[in-house]
Amino acid sequence: QVQLVQSGAEVKKPGASVKVSCKASGDTFTNYYMHWVRQAPGQGLEWMGWINPNSGATTYAPKFQGRVTMTRDTSINTAYMELVSLKSDDTAIYYCARARGWPLDHWGQGTLVTVSS
Amino acid sequence: EIVMTQSPATLSVSPGERATLSCRASQSVGSNLIWYQQKPGQAPRLLIYGASTRATDIPARFSGSGSGTEFTLTISSLQSEDFAVYYCQQYNNWPPVSVFGQGTKLEIK
Repeated sequence: QVQLVQSGAEVKKPGASVKVSCKASGDTFTNYYMHWVRQAPGQGLEWMGWINPNSGATTYAPKFQGRVTMTRDTSINTAYMELVSLKSDDTAIYYCARARGWPLDHWGQGTLVTVSS
Repeated sequence: EIVMTQSPATLSVSPGERATLSCRASQSVGSNLIWYQQKPGQAPRLLIYGASTRATDIPARFSGSGSGTEFTLTISSLQSEDFAVYYCQQYNNWPPVSVFGQGTKLEIK
């Protein structure tokens, strides 16, 4: 079955960067877009963007443009999301989720990123 | 940017009763509307896409309706496992960006 397994929790200082990975299995990696969604503690879902693993093309939400980079390594069926210049309000669970465009039908387990001095 | 507004923020309903959740878009999104369910400590789960199509293995008590700017998720007879937070999500065909609503918490009355 389809599985998205994300990397473990991270603790970062303000101004640092974080790179979260998402390894896909159970289906053809390049057939699906990989989206990234985050959720601050006790808050709602926030869509960050997606990458087309086949071409490497990306689209980012305006809020994250210039601060987020989504990449992939098709040799190991893994997508990455890097966020730079971290601030305390970037503290959140970061999810990857796959889709044939839309909707997001399978989700990773989430990665908690804590930004604290 | 399109703004998605869900109401109410919290809905209290008894098991076995019907729940009706609303999602409003600040401008027309056609049928590009998705519903998710999220339980504490879990990732979201896809329920409805294309405003009204149930996802695989979603029970028939869940139904979606609407188009344009007004959308509804109806749960016809609430089961204990349905108490959760529900999010709507809109997406554009081009540019292919998306926004979530702020969520509706469905709690046991």
